[in-house]
Amino acid sequence: AQSVTQLGSHVSVSEGALVLLRCNYSSSVPPYLFWYVQYPNQGLQLLLKYTTGATLVKGINGFEAEFKKSETSFHLTKPSAHMSDAAEYFCTVSDRRTNAGKSTFGDGTTLTVKP
Amino acid sequence: SAVISQKPSRDICQRGTSLTIQCQVDSQVTMMFWYRQQPGQSLTLIATANQGSEATYESGFVIDKFPISRPNLTFSTLTVSNMSPEDSSIYLCSVVDRGHGDTQYFGPGTRLTVL
Repeated sequence: AQSVTQLGSHVSVSEGALVLLRCNYSSSVPPYLFWYVQYPNQGLQLLLKYTTGATLVKGINGFEAEFKKSETSFHLTKPSAHMSDAAEYFCTVSDRRTNAGKSTFGDGTTLTVKP
Repeated sequence: SAVISQKPSRDICQRGTSLTIQCQVDSQVTMMFWYRQQPGQSLTLIATANQGSEATYESGFVIDKFPISRPNLTFSTLTVSNMSPEDSSIYLCSVVDRGHGDTQYFGPGTRLTVL
């Protein structure tokens, strides 16, 4: 079985500050890892993903995440927050072997950006 | 990438009635998924719908309550039957692109309110 834990259901940062959203996963096999963003009253948009290869992955809107196998983590960062980054962020894990597409979602982290 | 549309985008329904949600993809896909997002919560997988076979339901979800059709590789429907206020949620369909690291694409969702 796989699971995802997002530490901190709400994160608040000031505009221009570092954004750090934490995600830890549990999986019996190397997983596929994803971050999605959901703006208010909108659908889910893929920010970035890790499948294989380079463990530091860059996504859209200046976000990046690093896969750390030893820590079973996939934390999302952005050097400088913008007001437009305020949204709900979901970390998900997918078992690449057998359950592709059956993503397990974390509970989500609401990011607030203060002016 | 896949472009997914859903109908209706939102609906308000009376208790005891049923609603069928349609999901259309702009390309042929093998695996389609239906998720539920209850107010203020994360996404929960309802079932996997593969063309040519019966849908596979996750724990806590049953076919009588959420019948699914998958008549071809670009279309699926989810019916929410005998609705109660607890069924008020956003229902999302998604597809997986196996050729791009199992990237999952989501429809815009159907926002259902049951009175």
